[in-house]
Amino acid sequence: QSALTQPPSASGSPGQSVTISCTGTSSDVGGIDYVSWYQHHPGKAPKLMIYEVSKRPSGVPDRFSGSKSGNTASLTVSGLQAEDEADYYCSSSAGSNNVVFGGGTKLTVL
Amino acid sequence: EVQLVQSGAEVKKPGESLKISCQGSGDSFTSHWIAWVRQMTGKGLEWMGIIYPGDSDTRYSPSFQGQVTISADKSINTAYLQWSSLKASDTAMYYCVRTSMFRGLIVRFDYWGQGTLVTVSS
Repeated sequence: QSALTQPPSASGSPGQSVTISCTGTSSDVGGIDYVSWYQHHPGKAPKLMIYEVSKRPSGVPDRFSGSKSGNTASLTVSGLQAEDEADYYCSSSAGSNNVVFGGGTKLTVL
Repeated sequence: EVQLVQSGAEVKKPGESLKISCQGSGDSFTSHWIAWVRQMTGKGLEWMGIIYPGDSDTRYSPSFQGQVTISADKSINTAYLQWSSLKASDTAMYYCVRTSMFRGLIVRFDYWGQGTLVTVSS
């Protein structure tokens, strides 16, 4: 069982928005703003999409956004495109030299 | 462009030893932390440990302390993950990841290697 809880699946039609949640505790998600999101297409290297809750690395489309409320972080993908279909993982710092991941959410573009 | 190139897939028997590698190029390898992350088949990601190749400062997840050894050779921009005695439960994909840390906290995993699949079977 993963330390952070994500829904196993999410879906949306092209052009729609979908939000994926990531629930932890006050010791990780709720206690520090070092929450990240990663996109993983099977067979490829995972890719950083969001860091520090809501920041986007250079090159990541602004269709991807992140937020946090209490112990739950969220990733929203707006204007869904076929290439967004992938697994998405959240992670959070959990104190000194420790990090926890979510179990992953499979995003399907219908 | 930052690139982390990992060694190829391995098939081993229980009890055998193994060392897999991760070679960096592009940005300064020795001035960034490198983490190892495990993904068992059909499961999520697990952080195993981290090393700073510049001085080989190494920290382990409590779940993996004593189970694996992380090392680095800064002269060839390479980090390693090794096992002295593999178990079937070590079967997984292993990723090396360039990692940003701040005051001992892991901030984010910036760049990922392509992964090394390790299969342990008799």
